[in-house]
Amino acid sequence: GAGVSQSPRYKVAKRGQDVALRCDPISGHVSLFWYQQALGQGPEFLTYFQNEAQLDKSGLPSDRFFAERPEGSVSTLKIQRTQQEDSAVYLCASAYKTGEEETQYFGPGTRLLVL
Amino acid sequence: SQKIEQNSEALNIQEGKTATLTCNYTNYSPAYLQWYRQDPGRGPVFLLLIRENEKEKRKERLKVTFDTTLKQSLFHITASQPADSATYLCALETNSGYALNFGKGTSLLVTP
Repeated sequence: GAGVSQSPRYKVAKRGQDVALRCDPISGHVSLFWYQQALGQGPEFLTYFQNEAQLDKSGLPSDRFFAERPEGSVSTLKIQRTQQEDSAVYLCASAYKTGEEETQYFGPGTRLLVL
Repeated sequence: SQKIEQNSEALNIQEGKTATLTCNYTNYSPAYLQWYRQDPGRGPVFLLLIRENEKEKRKERLKVTFDTTLKQSLFHITASQPADSATYLCALETNSGYALNFGKGTSLLVTP
């Protein structure tokens, strides 16, 4: 079956531009996560949704970062007034349900480069 | 603060040998630990989960050990193949119980 998809795969933005990154999770998956992965680092947690509810946004680095999942399926991560330090790969992951030991399925990521 | 440490240097081994990767953690009392594989340009792929009460777990050519006293997990790939070349990430759950904290990963290169 289809896995997690993300678009665009690559995005180049000028400093100060707004960007929107899309995630299509596996159908029926309740949980959705966004992670940020800098070059040579492991993914770092940004935010978590259970259905349409954003239950945890503790990892969002600043108020320029905003995520939504209005109908409990597709999610969008928006970054306003992008800065060079925002350059990274943004990974989306989904899981069937909430709970420990629930395997997370990752998308291929969106590579964002801010010039 | 909670830390996860993995070998920062790449591991180069010859095909057929056993690769052993290390994950150490501090300021954690995890109920379980996970290992993921990540290929260039792709997202991590789940490999194995081991619980705190399990000493060892196997899946095909993969073996994971979990020592909660040493606060360490070892990840072994036996009879390694060039196709095993990738970055391997160790992950522990955050205090939230659902999000994951990842190590930096260890790059493995298996040469013919």
